[in-house]
Amino acid sequence: AQSVTQPDIHITVSEGASLELRCNYSYGATPYLFWYVQSPGQGLQLLLKYFSGDTLVQGIKGFEAEFKRSQSSFNLRKPSVHWSDAAEYFCAVVYYGGSQGNLIFGKGTKLSVKP
Amino acid sequence: SQTIHQWPATLVQPVGSPLSLECTVEGTSNPNLYWYRQAAGRGLQLLFYSVGIGQISSEVPQNLSASRPQDRQFILSSKKLLLSDSGFYLCAWSVTGANSPLHFGNGTRLTVT
Repeated sequence: AQSVTQPDIHITVSEGASLELRCNYSYGATPYLFWYVQSPGQGLQLLLKYFSGDTLVQGIKGFEAEFKRSQSSFNLRKPSVHWSDAAEYFCAVVYYGGSQGNLIFGKGTKLSVKP
Repeated sequence: SQTIHQWPATLVQPVGSPLSLECTVEGTSNPNLYWYRQAAGRGLQLLFYSVGIGQISSEVPQNLSASRPQDRQFILSSKKLLLSDSGFYLCAWSVTGANSPLHFGNGTRLTVT
């Protein structure tokens, strides 16, 4: 069965430090991959997406993610975290040929930022 | 530009009471529409999605129902709320296509007492 795993439930980093949030998926087919961010009490906002081509994709707010097919991963990174990045981050996957009704979200990683 | 409106923002309802949450989208035609529920520590659970007026797909058997009376209106309902219906409910829309991202509303925090 298809699944998305975000191994880290909660991560705390210092402001200015680098960040990497992990996401692993389980699919036999080519996936479409997304990262969303959710501020407390708000809806989700798309950070970036990967469909094909260059495996390193750039998103909003200085985030990037790298698709590694051999590792079935799509990790989110940011070189220098700002206090405003404190939020919950969700990785999501849908397989090629599916529909958004087949979109599966990970359980999220909550990011805290220390001053 | 497209916008999505979801209301109310918060709601406290007693067990056994009815529920109606509304979501409308502006600036696009024939969107796909979704209702998700988010419970603490459990991520997002797709409840319903719709690809057109009157077309509703239910993903999880439960106490809830959805309707799409107009192209850009999506309603989540219940005849009798359960304690387990408490959660954060999110409406979303997208254009057709598996690679199209979802655009979310700001959510409704429902507490069933």
